Amino acid sequence: NAGVMQNPRHLVRRRGQEARLRCSPMKGHSHVYWYRQLPEEGLKFMVYLQKENIIDESGMPKERFSAEFPKEGPSILRIQQVVRGDSAAYFCASSPPWGEHRYPVTGELFFGEGSRLTVL
Amino acid sequence: SQKIEQNSEALNIQEGKTATLTCNYTNYSPAYLQWYRQDPGRGPVFLLLIRENEKEKRKERLKVTFDTTLKQSLFHITASQPADSATYLCALDNNAGNMLTFGGGTRLMVKP
Repeated sequence: NAGVMQNPRHLVRRRGQEARLRCSPMKGHSHVYWYRQLPEEGLKFMVYLQKENIIDESGMPKERFSAEFPKEGPSILRIQQVVRGDSAAYFCASSPPWGEHRYPVTGELFFGEGSRLTVL
Repeated sequence: SQKIEQNSEALNIQEGKTATLTCNYTNYSPAYLQWYRQDPGRGPVFLLLIRENEKEKRKERLKVTFDTTLKQSLFHITASQPADSATYLCALDNNAGNMLTFGGGTRLMVKP
């Protein structure tokens, strides 16, 4: 059973370009979370999605950032007109539907290896 | 405001000793608390979960305590090994139980 897959692992963009980060959750998982980690800092929650729905986007910057999790295909985190301050590691995590688990109901998150964005 | 505080200074210990990491929180009423391990350049990996009505949880060389009165969790690694060197993150659920908020992490260095 493949884990959470993120790509690209590394992405370099110039200021003003767009960055698209993709995340395929673990098989059977219907909840996706995006977190951002700045150098030497902890993980900051950005957005929580279920298929075709944004459940909580309280951590997303109001402008330039958007996320989706379509019915088919991976979840996408999109950053438009990137600035240097967007340079960070972006982690995706998934969890199974509530009630279908061999883990606690509101339990662990399974993280991908992250996408490291560098803005020049 | 809500805060989750972990010691930002690295913890250096000798192999074989017990490592104890602290997680303090304010203005949260978590139903559970989790600990994750993160290696450089990698994603966090789940270690242990403890519920609000549990005082202690163990898994192999790991032990977690949860004191909701003190608003504190302690994470212990007994008989530590150099391979235990990593950053350890604590995380709390939000009141809706559908999102985790992470502390800043503590880096542990176990010297042979």
